[in-house]
Amino acid sequence: ELQLVESGGGLVQPGGSLRLSCAASGFTVSSHSMNWVRQAPGKGLEWVSYISGSGTTIYYADSVKGRFTISRDNAKNSVYLQMNSLRDEDTAVYYCASRVGVTTGVDYWGQGTLVTVSS
Amino acid sequence: DIHMTQSPSSQSASVGDRVTITCRASRNIDNFLNWYQQKPGKAPKLLIYATSSLQSGVPSRFSGGGSGTDFTLTISSLQPEDFATYYCQQSYGTPYTFGQGTNLEIK
Repeated sequence: ELQLVESGGGLVQPGGSLRLSCAASGFTVSSHSMNWVRQAPGKGLEWVSYISGSGTTIYYADSVKGRFTISRDNAKNSVYLQMNSLRDEDTAVYYCASRVGVTTGVDYWGQGTLVTVSS
Repeated sequence: DIHMTQSPSSQSASVGDRVTITCRASRNIDNFLNWYQQKPGKAPKLLIYATSSLQSGVPSRFSGGGSGTDFTLTISSLQPEDFATYYCQQSYGTPYTFGQGTNLEIK
């Protein structure tokens, strides 16, 4: 069964850092593109970052560019999101999501991990 | 950035109704339009990709159409499990923007 499991969320003060992890099972992250998508409480979905299967192509939303870094560890079959200089507006549930099948969308999602930025 | 606008933002409907949600892109995105369903406290679920292709396991009462800048998601006969929030998303270019969502409620 294909599965994505996020971890690493929690409460952090403004200006702080947090590293989210996304462990994949049932498929290899090195063969598929991976995304992070977030959802602030009571709000809609916001795409955050993308890394290609090869790892050579990386994109970020303007709202996180220069503060967040996406990376991948093939040996651990995991993807990460390093979040620095966190702001109140970064408070959200963060989803790890992958394009596995023949699709233009994102067909596998994790359950999400909550990041709360507050003093 | 490509801006995605959904309408309506919310809609009340009854079981058995035919419902159509529209999504407009701020510029041409060819057929790179996807639809997701999200229920409270759950991750989004891919319903339709490439404008009109039904994701595996999704009931055939869901269908998608359109091209260029104007797209639709149609549910032919609403079932109780379809009451949820629906999002369109363009995957033509980054940032892969989502619409603001359409909350489908029971009348």
